[in-house]
Amino acid sequence: GQQVMQIPQYQHVQEGEDFTTYCNSSTTLSNIQWYKQRPGGHPVFLIQLVKSGEVKKQKRLTFQFGEAKKNSSLHITATQTTDVGTYFCAGRGTGGFKTIFGAGTRLFVKA
Amino acid sequence: NAGVTQTPKFQVLKTGQSMTLQCAQDMNHNSMYWYRQDPGMGLRLIYYSASEGTTDKGEVPNGYNVSRLNKREFSLRLESAAPSQTSVYFCATITDRLNTEAFFGQGTRLTVV
Repeated sequence: GQQVMQIPQYQHVQEGEDFTTYCNSSTTLSNIQWYKQRPGGHPVFLIQLVKSGEVKKQKRLTFQFGEAKKNSSLHITATQTTDVGTYFCAGRGTGGFKTIFGAGTRLFVKA
Repeated sequence: NAGVTQTPKFQVLKTGQSMTLQCAQDMNHNSMYWYRQDPGMGLRLIYYSASEGTTDKGEVPNGYNVSRLNKREFSLRLESAAPSQTSVYFCATITDRLNTEAFFGQGTRLTVV
């Protein structure tokens, strides 16, 4: 079945450093979403990518969708303490309703 | 406009007890989902319902049953709770096939002792 793998599991950075998390799917995706979950909270939608090779930016966050629509990345430039949390990718296969989440990358930012 | 409401927020069960987690949405979305979240495991799909009257198994359906009572409500039942079902359970809704942004409830923290 469809699997979504995400690395790394944890990342510790100094405030101001950059951060990247990677997501790989075992099957071609129709789209991919990224979510952020603060400690003790619920996942909150950040963005959706649909097109092959798509790149989207939200302030310091850059999201990419691979050409083969099987991988994606989230890059944060100059991290801040407010970026702390777990970042999840979630993919939906072509022609289906199942949305499968990656295991998430937990980001720790030291001031 | 509450969005997605889950009840209860916290629950402690003894092994073998049964319970139903409730989820209701007022967003008029077709699809509803139940996920469980364990430390380091991310969100794993238990069951989903693409539309009223349909349900399908996700990644980890064993030990659970679901009911899509109507368009608004999607319940998750544990018939005989086990310690391995200790987890945080999230209900989510998605509007339609094209726009797949998921809206989550606040979660139910379940402990089985």
